[in-house]
Amino acid sequence: GAVVSQHPSRVICKSGTSVKIECRSLDFQATTMFWYRQFPKQSLMLMATSNEGSKATYEQGVEKDKFLINHASLTLSTLTVTSAHPEDSSFYICSARRAGTVGSGYTFGSGTRLTVV
Amino acid sequence: AQTVTQSQPEMSVQEAETVTLSCTYDTSESDYYLFWYKQPPSRQMILVIRQEAYKQQNATENRFSVNFQKAAKSFSLKISDSQLGDAAMYFCAYKALSEGGSEKLVFGKGMKLTVNP
Repeated sequence: GAVVSQHPSRVICKSGTSVKIECRSLDFQATTMFWYRQFPKQSLMLMATSNEGSKATYEQGVEKDKFLINHASLTLSTLTVTSAHPEDSSFYICSARRAGTVGSGYTFGSGTRLTVV
Repeated sequence: AQTVTQSQPEMSVQEAETVTLSCTYDTSESDYYLFWYKQPPSRQMILVIRQEAYKQQNATENRFSVNFQKAAKSFSLKISDSQLGDAAMYFCAYKALSEGGSEKLVFGKGMKLTVNP
C-alpha cells in the first residue's frame, strides 16, 4: 500500500514553454502533498506544500508564479513550471502523507527529470 | 528552526560488514519524528526506518536499527550484514509531531554509501 505515482519520469522542453508534472496517490487519500527539487548530489529542497482544496504554501525564495501548484482532489496534485528556462532543469519529486496520519513516513513519487533546452 | 546535520558525505563498507551512519539535529520541540530515507540510483526515495521521539526504545527493521540519543540529539543508523543493494544515498529527516505544526520534513544533506563486494 501507499503508492505515489509521478508522471512524466523524464521530460525535455523548449525554453519558454510550460511543463506539467502530475503526482497521484494511487491507494490512499492525501490531504497534503509536497513538492521538492533536487540538484545533482544534493539534498531535497522543499518548494511548496500542497493542501487539497486550498492554495499551496510556498517556501521562501520559490517563485509562486513560475511554479504553479494545484491540488484539486485528494489523490492528485500538479506542478506546472511556467515559461521554463534552462536554470529550471532539475529533478522534481513529490511526496504525500496519508490523510489522518501524523507521524507516518511520507511516500515519495519516483521523480521527474526536467531538461529545458 | 530545525536543522538536520549529516557530517559524513561518503562512507564505504565491505559486504556483510556493519556500518553506522551518523545524524544530529537541532530542535526546541520535545515531541517529533525522525526518519532515515534511502535513495538508490533510481532516485526513488524509500523509507528505511522511523523513530518517535517519545519512545525510548530504539526502532529496528530487520538489518536496520537506530541509536536514538534524545538528550544528545543524535539519530544514527546501523546497517548490519551490508548488502550490495544497500548502496545508495541516505538521508536523515526530521518532522515536528504536532498536527498544527509544520508538516514538512527537514532533510540532512545526505550521505553516499558504497558497498564493496
